Amino acid sequence: GAVVSQHPSRVICKSGTSVKIECRSLDFQATTMFWYRQFPKQSLMLMATSNEGSKATYEQGVEKDKFLINHASLTLSTLTVTSAHPEDSSFYICSAVTGRGQPQHFGDGTRLSIL
Amino acid sequence: AQSVTQLGSHVSVSEGALVLLRCNYSSSVPPYLFWYVQYPNQGLQLLLKYTTGATLVKGINGFEAEFKKSETSFHLTKPSAHMSDAAEYFCAVSDAYGSSNTGKLIFGQGTTLQVKP
Repeated sequence: GAVVSQHPSRVICKSGTSVKIECRSLDFQATTMFWYRQFPKQSLMLMATSNEGSKATYEQGVEKDKFLINHASLTLSTLTVTSAHPEDSSFYICSAVTGRGQPQHFGDGTRLSIL
Repeated sequence: AQSVTQLGSHVSVSEGALVLLRCNYSSSVPPYLFWYVQYPNQGLQLLLKYTTGATLVKGINGFEAEFKKSETSFHLTKPSAHMSDAAEYFCAVSDAYGSSNTGKLIFGQGTTLQVKP
């Protein structure tokens, strides 16, 4: 149980393109979803916390207009990297929780490469 | 504020040897603690968690961890390493018990476990 699906697994695109990443909880309803960014050989950096039906809460230093998060249902959250540039290249990972105090369940990540 | 420190960014053991990955935390509220494993180009998989109750928790793949409040530690162990255990391991603390209760995880820097044949 508690499967989180993230799509696509890899994206390669030109600079200036907007890229949408989907995060779905397949067998449970997620009250909260989280979006992380991970640089090579480093830990996960939390970008934002997303609650269904409300605006995402962004961490300090994360550009809201750059990284658009939508959490329209209890099973789907999307992250859109707008006008992506090479410095946005990274590994993006989402996670979902069923409720307070419950462990986060992670998707398999999206490798974003901007040329 | 909460924080996690993983001592040793890289640990190397021989196959069959004891695995010990160290994690110390700082938390102003009773912590919820987690260990996750990450294989290359994948997300994180939960190994085990401590919330309340028994301080020795058992997880998947033969791993276990002991919560020691007096030492603010949550070290991960496995009696006998397998080649398949080679991966990145992350210790994390959650604020789920606190009044703010955002459920956010604070991760340690990660420890790369290498298993030699």
